[in-house]
Amino acid sequence: DADVTQTPRNRITKTGKRIMLECSQTKGHDRMYWYRQDPGLGLQLIYYSFDVKDINKGEISDGYSVSRQAQAKFSLSLESAIPNQTALYFCATSDSRAGYGYTFGSGTRLTVV
Amino acid sequence: KNEVEQSPQNLTAQEGEFITINCSYSVGISALHWLQQHPGGGIVSLFMLSSGKKKHGRLIATINIQEKHSSLHITASHPRDSAVYICLVSGAGSYQLTFGKGTKLSVIP
Repeated sequence: DADVTQTPRNRITKTGKRIMLECSQTKGHDRMYWYRQDPGLGLQLIYYSFDVKDINKGEISDGYSVSRQAQAKFSLSLESAIPNQTALYFCATSDSRAGYGYTFGSGTRLTVV
Repeated sequence: KNEVEQSPQNLTAQEGEFITINCSYSVGISALHWLQQHPGGGIVSLFMLSSGKKKHGRLIATINIQEKHSSLHITASHPRDSAVYICLVSGAGSYQLTFGKGTKLSVIP
């Protein structure tokens, strides 16, 4: 099993729909992150969480919300999906005790039509 | 905001060539990471540096804190090295994470 698992791997949804992307990890890391990747723009941070009770906005949080249900689970929600949220989404984890090395999930390819 | 510039954007090399990818950043950092993204999209963390040099197999990463510059070198390149290489910096005294836009490497047999 992968250390960081994202579901679904691919999703097509309609404009206006609510959608949740899920991330779970078996690394025991305390920190979790959600990024989106757009062609030509690189990776951008949406939200990050340093522990279960700590949630922080990243540089592009508008239109997104998150939930840290447990140390191992961090979900990203699009409350009302729009086409410019079509992107590749990555979840990542890191361990604050281990010098900030990151482990990435395999990504979720989301298309909003 | 910490800007991260990578060069080149695209690189094509013959198998066996020595490859260098560069990353420059604008402000103080706590650490710099090199990531590898395969054509299928998956991302793997290669190195985390705060000073000096690290080596793993054919990959070498260096960082010069004074010059705010890091390089990733690949010796004896192979087609399986074809990927996008991404530089990531984490800001000093903050949790700001900034990614470079990536360098797309293609190694031709």
